[in-house]
Amino acid sequence: QITLKESGPTLVKPTQTLTLTCTFSGFSLSTSGVGVGWIRQPPGKALEWLALIYWNDDKRYSPSLKSRLTITKDTSKNQVVLTMTNMDPVDTATYYCAHQQLWLQSIDYWGQGTLVTVSS
Amino acid sequence: DIQMTQSPSTLSASVGDRVTITCRASQSISSWLAWYQQKPGKAPKLLIYKASSLESGVPSRFSGSGSGTEFTLTISSLQPDDFATYYCQQYNSYSASWTFGQGTKVEIK
Repeated sequence: QITLKESGPTLVKPTQTLTLTCTFSGFSLSTSGVGVGWIRQPPGKALEWLALIYWNDDKRYSPSLKSRLTITKDTSKNQVVLTMTNMDPVDTATYYCAHQQLWLQSIDYWGQGTLVTVSS
Repeated sequence: DIQMTQSPSTLSASVGDRVTITCRASQSISSWLAWYQQKPGKAPKLLIYKASSLESGVPSRFSGSGSGTEFTLTISSLQPDDFATYYCQQYNSYSASWTFGQGTKVEIK
């Protein structure tokens, strides 16, 4: 059974760096074709794809946020970490981590999400 | 960047209705399109991948079609559990990035 869970701060101040951790089970990020990514959703708004890291350490970023994002993995800990710099109130959102497979190019398992509020 | 236009933004329908939601891409994305259902306070759920493949466990009343730039999600007979928001997601093989549509909220008429 595949599960993912996000963890990190619920409140960050403007200009700070956000660090979120996705801890997963039921699969290995060393398996060919597997990826773990991040998606966010501001309150009442649409989903926005952020970043993805594949089993082979190939990394993909949203073109509009690329300069602010870094995604890394720790295969031994079954964790993926997303950092986003220079946080702003417009970055207030529920952040989801998710599992996807290369051949699907879609997200088949999602975490429950974690709400991050950016406020001074 | 490839732009996704999803329509309508809101749809009012009754139980038993046939419902169609459309996503249009600004350039061809082959069949790299997925559909998700999201209920309030919950993570999205995958319904359709590769434009027309039904995810395991998803009821057969859901179907997807299209390729290139125009795609549709059809619910053949709307059920009470189907009132939710639906999103399309495209994969851009040129930039190796993904984009979601703006969402369609299916409401009770």
